Amino acid sequence: AQTVTQSQPEMSVQEAETVTLSCTYDTSESNYYLFWYKQPPSRQMILVIRQEAYKQQNATENRFSVNFQKAAKSFSLKISDSQLGDTAMYFCAFSKGTYIGTDKLIFGTGTRLQVFP
Amino acid sequence: GAGVSQSPSNKVTEKGKDVELRCDPISGHTALYWYRQSLGQGLEFLIYFQGNSAPDKSGLPSDRFSAERTGGSVSTLTIQRTQQEDSAVYLCASSSGQGQSPLHFGNGTRLTVT
Repeated sequence: AQTVTQSQPEMSVQEAETVTLSCTYDTSESNYYLFWYKQPPSRQMILVIRQEAYKQQNATENRFSVNFQKAAKSFSLKISDSQLGDTAMYFCAFSKGTYIGTDKLIFGTGTRLQVFP
Repeated sequence: GAGVSQSPSNKVTEKGKDVELRCDPISGHTALYWYRQSLGQGLEFLIYFQGNSAPDKSGLPSDRFSAERTGGSVSTLTIQRTQQEDSAVYLCASSSGQGQSPLHFGNGTRLTVT
């Protein structure tokens, strides 16, 4: 069975600074995807960034980037130039398979990020 | 619609009553998922539909929980004889189920059982 672990229940960062959220996972699958989702108070889950396991290059999306260490089964999220709007719960998630949407997402327990002015 | 729509947004019910939660996925999305998020917790998988069939219903916590999907579109999650521990946010997500299309989530239904 696959598991996703987020060991930081809460994090805080000052505006314009950089913060890194940690995530580790366990799987015996060779094909899979990893995701970071953001959940603001509106409850809607918003996809921040995704990584295909077969790609060695770390994914980046504007201020968001990941450090994907496949051998260590680690998938951390780095937020650069933090903004007040980044305040939210962040969830790391895993999905096995070759295609997204053909199997369920398994989520970690989340990290609550607070960005201070 | 442009996104995944869930109704109602909030539901308060008395212990022992039955409730129905509705999910309208993005048009054309064949894959549909239900998740449960208890207060301060991560998302717990409940059931996955591909079209009208449910190849994975392993997350349904008890036989009080059931779900159906008709016409490959709207899905209803039914909880019978609700208990206080059923109080949670129930989130629905859909995907085209092909290629690299990610899951799109609705805003969820907050269920409170009193």
